[in-house]
Amino acid sequence: AQSVAQPEDQVNVAEGNPLTVKCTYSVSGNPYLFWYVQYPNRGLQFLLKYITGDNLVKGSYGFEAEFNKSQTSFHLKKPSALVSDSALYFCAVRDTMEYGNKLVFGAGTILRVKS
Amino acid sequence: EAQVTQNPRYLITVTGKKLTVTCSQNMNHEYMSWYRQDPGLGLRQIYYSMNVEVTDKGDVPEGYKVSRKEKRNFPLILESPSPNQTSLYFCASSFTGARDRPSPLHFGNGTRLTVT
Repeated sequence: AQSVAQPEDQVNVAEGNPLTVKCTYSVSGNPYLFWYVQYPNRGLQFLLKYITGDNLVKGSYGFEAEFNKSQTSFHLKKPSALVSDSALYFCAVRDTMEYGNKLVFGAGTILRVKS
Repeated sequence: EAQVTQNPRYLITVTGKKLTVTCSQNMNHEYMSWYRQDPGLGLRQIYYSMNVEVTDKGDVPEGYKVSRKEKRNFPLILESPSPNQTSLYFCASSFTGARDRPSPLHFGNGTRLTVT
């Protein structure tokens, strides 16, 4: 069965500094990997996904993520954080061997960007 | 506007009183799913539907029912709610659930349910 770990409950960063939100995963087969963001009182919004190919994936709002197969990681990054990036971030994995579009989510990481 | 619409946004009820949370999508998506979100646990899948009249259990299906009579609608039914079903519920849809076609999920804005 697949699983996702987000080791940090919260990440604090100053505006303008680079940010990283960590994610590691476990699957039986090959992974499809996703990042979602959740703002207060809203549903989750899709940021980016890794399916295959280039290990560096670019997504919405200037975010990118790097897939590392040997470390089973898919960390979310942004070169320069904005206060408006403050939100709850979820990493999710789907096992290519699994039936249906079932995503398994991590517990989430709160990102706080201070001005 | 492409969206997943859930109703109601907030619901307070008592133990044992049957309730339904509605979900509708206007994107002609084949795949729909229900998740519950609890602090420290992330989102866990309750039920999913690959297409009309095709539903299956997710990881935490106990105490819930679903139906998929039409492509756009996927209601979540709690026949006899209990306090441990107090949670934030999300409906989601995607173009397909096919194994080799990973489609991002589109989420509704959530339904916060409190069972006393």
